[in-house]
Amino acid sequence: DAMVIQNPRYQVTQFGKPVTLSCSQTLNHNVMYWYQQKSSQAPKLLFHYYDKDFNNEADTPDNFQSRRPNTSFCFLDIRSPGLGDAAMYLCATSDPGTGETQYFGPGTRLLVL
Amino acid sequence: AQSVSQHNHHVILSEAASLELGCNYSYGGTVNLFWYVQYPGQHLQLLLKYFSGDPLVKGIKGFEAEFIKSKFSFNLRKPSVQWSDTAEYFCAVTVSNFGNEKLTFGTGTRLTIIP
Repeated sequence: DAMVIQNPRYQVTQFGKPVTLSCSQTLNHNVMYWYQQKSSQAPKLLFHYYDKDFNNEADTPDNFQSRRPNTSFCFLDIRSPGLGDAAMYLCATSDPGTGETQYFGPGTRLLVL
Repeated sequence: AQSVSQHNHHVILSEAASLELGCNYSYGGTVNLFWYVQYPGQHLQLLLKYFSGDPLVKGIKGFEAEFIKSKFSFNLRKPSVQWSDTAEYFCAVTVSNFGNEKLTFGTGTRLTIIP
Protein backbone atom coordinates (compact mmCIF):
# COMPACT_ATOMS: atom_id res chain seq x y z
CA ASP A 1 0.00 0.00 0.00
CA ALA A 2 1.17 3.53 -0.75
CA MET A 3 2.00 5.27 2.45
CA VAL A 4 4.04 7.69 4.53
CA ILE A 5 6.68 6.02 6.67
CA GLN A 6 8.53 7.53 9.59
CA ASN A 7 11.57 6.12 11.31
CA PRO A 8 12.19 5.62 14.07
CA ARG A 9 8.82 5.61 15.84
CA TYR A 10 10.52 6.52 19.11
CA GLN A 11 13.77 8.43 19.49
CA VAL A 12 15.60 9.23 22.68
CA THR A 13 18.38 11.79 22.60
CA GLN A 14 20.39 13.77 25.08
CA PHE A 15 20.14 17.48 25.68
CA GLY A 16 22.21 19.20 22.98
CA LYS A 17 22.97 16.04 20.99
CA PRO A 18 21.99 16.38 17.31
CA VAL A 19 19.26 14.07 16.10
CA THR A 20 17.78 13.29 12.69
CA LEU A 21 14.29 12.02 12.02
CA SER A 22 13.39 10.52 8.68
CA CYS A 23 10.33 10.32 6.51
CA SER A 24 9.75 8.47 3.29
CA GLN A 25 6.75 8.19 1.03
CA THR A 26 5.60 5.88 -1.69
CA LEU A 27 2.83 8.20 -2.82
CA ASN A 28 5.10 10.17 -5.19
CA HIS A 29 3.69 13.42 -3.86
CA ASN A 30 5.32 16.74 -4.66
CA VAL A 31 4.85 18.33 -1.27
CA MET A 32 6.22 17.13 2.06
CA TYR A 33 5.61 18.69 5.46
CA TRP A 34 7.03 18.48 8.94
CA TYR A 35 4.81 19.21 11.93
CA GLN A 36 5.54 19.33 15.64
CA GLN A 37 2.78 18.14 17.95
CA LYS A 38 3.11 18.54 21.70
CA SER A 39 0.87 16.75 24.14
CA SER A 40 -2.79 17.77 23.89
CA GLN A 41 -1.99 20.42 21.26
CA ALA A 42 -2.66 20.80 17.58
CA PRO A 43 0.07 19.94 15.09
CA LYS A 44 2.18 22.96 14.28
CA LEU A 45 3.75 23.31 10.86
CA LEU A 46 7.53 23.69 10.96
CA PHE A 47 8.29 23.77 7.23
CA HIS A 48 7.43 22.17 3.94
CA TYR A 49 8.93 21.40 0.56
CA TYR A 50 7.22 21.89 -2.75
CA ASP A 51 9.46 19.69 -4.85
CA LYS A 52 12.89 21.08 -3.92
CA ASP A 53 11.64 24.48 -2.87
CA PHE A 54 11.99 24.88 0.88
CA ASN A 55 9.42 26.93 2.81
CA ASN A 56 10.20 27.75 6.41
CA GLU A 57 7.54 28.97 8.83
CA ALA A 58 8.45 32.32 10.33
CA ASP A 59 8.37 31.04 13.90
CA THR A 60 10.29 27.81 13.34
CA PRO A 61 13.45 27.96 15.46
CA ASP A 62 16.82 27.95 13.68
CA ASN A 63 17.59 24.81 15.66
CA PHE A 64 15.37 22.92 13.21
CA GLN A 65 16.60 22.17 9.72
CA SER A 66 15.36 19.97 6.93
CA ARG A 67 16.69 18.17 3.88
CA ARG A 68 14.93 16.61 0.96
CA PRO A 69 17.45 14.73 -1.18
CA ASN A 70 14.80 13.34 -3.53
CA THR A 71 11.03 13.06 -3.97
CA SER A 72 10.70 10.11 -1.64
CA PHE A 73 12.71 11.18 1.38
CA CYS A 74 12.69 14.11 3.77
CA PHE A 75 14.71 14.57 6.95
CA LEU A 76 14.26 16.70 10.03
CA ASP A 77 17.50 17.68 11.76
CA ILE A 78 17.45 19.10 15.26
CA ARG A 79 20.89 20.53 15.80
CA SER A 80 20.83 21.00 19.56
CA PRO A 81 17.69 19.52 21.11
CA GLY A 82 16.38 21.14 24.23
CA LEU A 83 13.90 19.77 26.73
CA GLY A 84 11.20 21.85 25.07
CA ASP A 85 11.70 20.02 21.79
CA ALA A 86 10.31 16.80 23.19
CA ALA A 87 7.23 16.17 21.08
CA MET A 88 5.68 14.04 18.37
CA TYR A 89 7.03 14.94 14.94
CA LEU A 90 4.68 14.29 12.07
CA CYS A 91 5.52 14.03 8.41
CA ALA A 92 2.83 14.55 5.80
CA THR A 93 2.59 14.65 2.03
CA SER A 94 0.22 16.13 -0.48
CA ASP A 95 -0.07 16.62 -4.18
CA PRO A 96 -2.10 19.21 -6.09
CA GLY A 97 -3.64 16.32 -7.98
CA THR A 98 -5.14 14.91 -4.77
CA GLY A 99 -7.07 18.03 -3.96
CA GLU A 100 -4.86 19.40 -1.22
CA THR A 101 -5.49 16.51 1.15
CA GLN A 102 -2.50 15.81 3.37
CA TYR A 103 -1.55 12.24 4.24
CA PHE A 104 0.20 11.75 7.54
CA GLY A 105 2.76 9.29 8.75
CA PRO A 106 2.56 7.65 12.18
CA GLY A 107 4.97 10.15 13.71
CA THR A 108 8.22 9.93 15.66
CA ARG A 109 8.03 10.59 19.37
CA LEU A 110 11.16 12.39 20.52
CA LEU A 111 12.28 12.28 24.11
CA VAL A 112 15.09 14.57 25.26
CA LEU A 113 16.95 13.59 28.42
CA ALA B 1 -3.73 34.52 8.31
CA GLN B 2 -6.38 31.93 8.84
CA SER B 3 -7.21 30.43 12.23
CA VAL B 4 -9.42 27.63 13.50
CA SER B 5 -11.33 27.43 16.78
CA GLN B 6 -12.64 24.30 18.41
CA HIS B 7 -14.54 25.30 21.51
CA ASN B 8 -15.11 21.83 22.93
CA HIS B 9 -11.87 20.63 24.46
CA HIS B 10 -13.18 17.39 25.92
CA VAL B 11 -16.54 15.78 25.21
CA ILE B 12 -17.81 12.74 27.06
CA LEU B 13 -20.78 10.82 25.68
CA SER B 14 -22.46 7.51 26.19
CA GLU B 15 -22.69 5.03 23.35
CA ALA B 16 -25.59 5.71 20.94
CA ALA B 17 -25.68 9.40 21.85
CA SER B 18 -25.62 11.96 19.07
CA LEU B 19 -22.48 13.98 18.51
CA GLU B 20 -21.79 17.47 17.30
CA LEU B 21 -18.33 19.02 17.53
CA GLY B 22 -17.98 22.68 16.78
CA CYS B 23 -15.45 24.23 14.42
CA ASN B 24 -15.18 27.85 13.38
CA TYR B 25 -12.58 29.41 11.16
CA SER B 26 -11.56 32.92 10.39
CA TYR B 27 -10.59 33.83 6.84
CA GLY B 28 -12.37 36.04 4.41
CA GLY B 29 -11.59 34.14 1.22
CA THR B 30 -12.02 30.67 -0.19
CA VAL B 31 -11.06 27.86 2.15
CA ASN B 32 -10.86 24.11 2.09
CA LEU B 33 -12.06 22.44 5.28
CA PHE B 34 -11.08 19.16 6.84
CA TRP B 35 -11.75 16.98 9.84
CA TYR B 36 -8.97 14.66 10.90
CA VAL B 37 -9.17 11.99 13.59
CA GLN B 38 -6.37 10.61 15.72
CA TYR B 39 -7.20 7.35 17.47
CA PRO B 40 -5.12 6.52 20.53
CA GLY B 41 -1.59 5.61 19.45
CA GLN B 42 -2.36 6.04 15.77
CA HIS B 43 -1.61 8.61 13.11
CA LEU B 44 -3.85 11.38 11.88
CA GLN B 45 -6.44 10.15 9.42
CA LEU B 46 -8.75 12.12 7.19
CA LEU B 47 -12.42 11.83 8.18
CA LEU B 48 -13.90 14.11 5.57
CA LYS B 49 -13.23 17.26 3.60
CA TYR B 50 -15.05 20.09 1.90
CA PHE B 51 -13.71 21.91 -1.14
CA SER B 52 -16.83 23.07 -2.97
CA GLY B 53 -20.35 22.01 -3.95
CA ASP B 54 -22.84 20.45 -1.55
CA PRO B 55 -22.13 21.98 1.86
CA LEU B 56 -23.14 18.75 3.61
CA VAL B 57 -20.30 16.30 3.25
CA LYS B 58 -20.22 12.70 4.33
CA GLY B 59 -17.11 10.98 5.52
CA ILE B 60 -16.01 7.63 6.77
CA LYS B 61 -17.51 5.76 9.72
CA GLY B 62 -20.85 7.56 9.56
CA PHE B 63 -19.51 11.07 10.16
CA GLU B 64 -20.76 14.12 8.33
CA ALA B 65 -20.08 17.83 8.46
CA GLU B 66 -21.92 20.89 7.26
CA PHE B 67 -20.21 23.97 5.90
CA ILE B 68 -22.16 27.12 6.78
CA LYS B 69 -20.38 29.96 5.07
CA SER B 70 -22.35 32.72 6.79
CA LYS B 71 -21.30 31.36 10.17
CA PHE B 72 -17.74 30.41 9.18
CA SER B 73 -18.49 27.01 10.64
CA PHE B 74 -17.83 23.39 9.75
CA ASN B 75 -19.33 21.32 12.54
CA LEU B 76 -18.83 17.58 12.69
CA ARG B 77 -21.80 15.32 13.43
CA LYS B 78 -22.62 11.70 13.97
CA PRO B 79 -26.13 10.51 14.88
CA SER B 80 -25.06 7.60 17.07
CA VAL B 81 -21.55 7.25 18.45
CA GLN B 82 -19.74 4.05 19.28
CA TRP B 83 -17.06 3.26 21.84
CA SER B 84 -14.57 2.96 18.96
CA ASP B 85 -15.09 6.65 18.16
CA THR B 86 -13.02 7.56 21.21
CA ALA B 87 -10.26 9.70 19.74
CA GLU B 88 -8.94 13.23 19.25
CA TYR B 89 -10.69 15.18 16.49
CA PHE B 90 -9.03 18.06 14.68
CA CYS B 91 -10.69 20.57 12.43
CA ALA B 92 -8.35 22.12 9.87
CA VAL B 93 -8.39 24.61 7.04
CA THR B 94 -6.24 25.41 4.05
CA VAL B 95 -6.37 28.53 2.02
CA SER B 96 -6.52 27.56 -1.61
CA ASN B 97 -3.05 28.27 -2.94
CA PHE B 98 -2.06 25.79 -5.58
CA GLY B 99 0.98 23.86 -4.56
CA ASN B 100 1.56 25.73 -1.33
CA GLU B 101 -1.22 24.60 0.97
CA LYS B 102 -0.72 25.30 4.64
CA LEU B 103 -2.95 23.24 6.88
CA THR B 104 -3.96 25.18 9.97
CA PHE B 105 -5.34 22.99 12.73
CA GLY B 106 -7.66 23.77 15.57
CA THR B 107 -6.59 22.76 19.06
CA GLY B 108 -8.55 19.53 18.88
CA THR B 109 -11.45 17.98 20.76
CA ARG B 110 -10.92 14.87 22.80
CA LEU B 111 -13.95 12.60 22.52
CA THR B 112 -14.48 9.92 25.13
CA ILE B 113 -17.29 7.42 24.61
CA ILE B 114 -18.50 5.53 27.66
CA PRO B 115 -19.76 2.02 26.92
